[in-house]
Amino acid sequence: DIQLTQSPSFLSASVGDRVTITCRASQGISSYLAWYQQKPGKAPKFLIYDASTLQSGVPSRFSGSGSGTEFTLTISSLQPEDFATYYCQHFNNYPITFGQGTRLEIK
Amino acid sequence: EVQLVESGGGLVQPGRSLRLSCAASGFTFSDQYADWVRQAPGKGLEWVGRTRDKAHSYTTEYAASVKGRFIISRDDSKNSLYLQMNSLRTEDTAVYYCARAIKFTEVYYLVYWGQGTLVTVSS
Repeated sequence: DIQLTQSPSFLSASVGDRVTITCRASQGISSYLAWYQQKPGKAPKFLIYDASTLQSGVPSRFSGSGSGTEFTLTISSLQPEDFATYYCQHFNNYPITFGQGTRLEIK
Repeated sequence: EVQLVESGGGLVQPGRSLRLSCAASGFTFSDQYADWVRQAPGKGLEWVGRTRDKAHSYTTEYAASVKGRFIISRDDSKNSLYLQMNSLRTEDTAVYYCARAIKFTEVYYLVYWGQGTLVTVSS
């Protein structure tokens, strides 16, 4: 099974900051990676697919990059509504797996 | 508007069975792949399994942790997805989400999600 390791697991930042979350795969997954945002008590929200394509309606301050085994999610200027937990997920083969999550909190 | 509404969660004893349902609306369910994902209290997301559409013979895939115990099925005439959970364990306690998978380029991503239903396995 492919393991996804996110770093950091916890991130404290301020409104307006630029933040980057990394997701590393235990083996190559091409670009078959998605990013989700989850707020407490809510379902995950689909943000990015194919590692770097922004889902319709997602603000342009979100961006993704990478291929193979290393991927990043960047938020260019944090807004108050961005404080949440972020997950990566691969779709290269089965079983599909998620990263363990990165909790982004207000400093 | 796409809607996915899970139901059927509750308290169940270890070793017993439970069936979750997910009612879909706002899209042609029969054309879609659909997944179940779960989240234990205070923990991360865990993919449970997937059903493909009729064109792909309704074939299924499962996570190792549930394979042989859980069965994903669907009734396209009712726009519904199901998760039959057998031989439940305390570690199956989680919020269970159904999700609609949509194909972008080569693969099916989980674009739309229900609100989840809580399953608690405890004696």
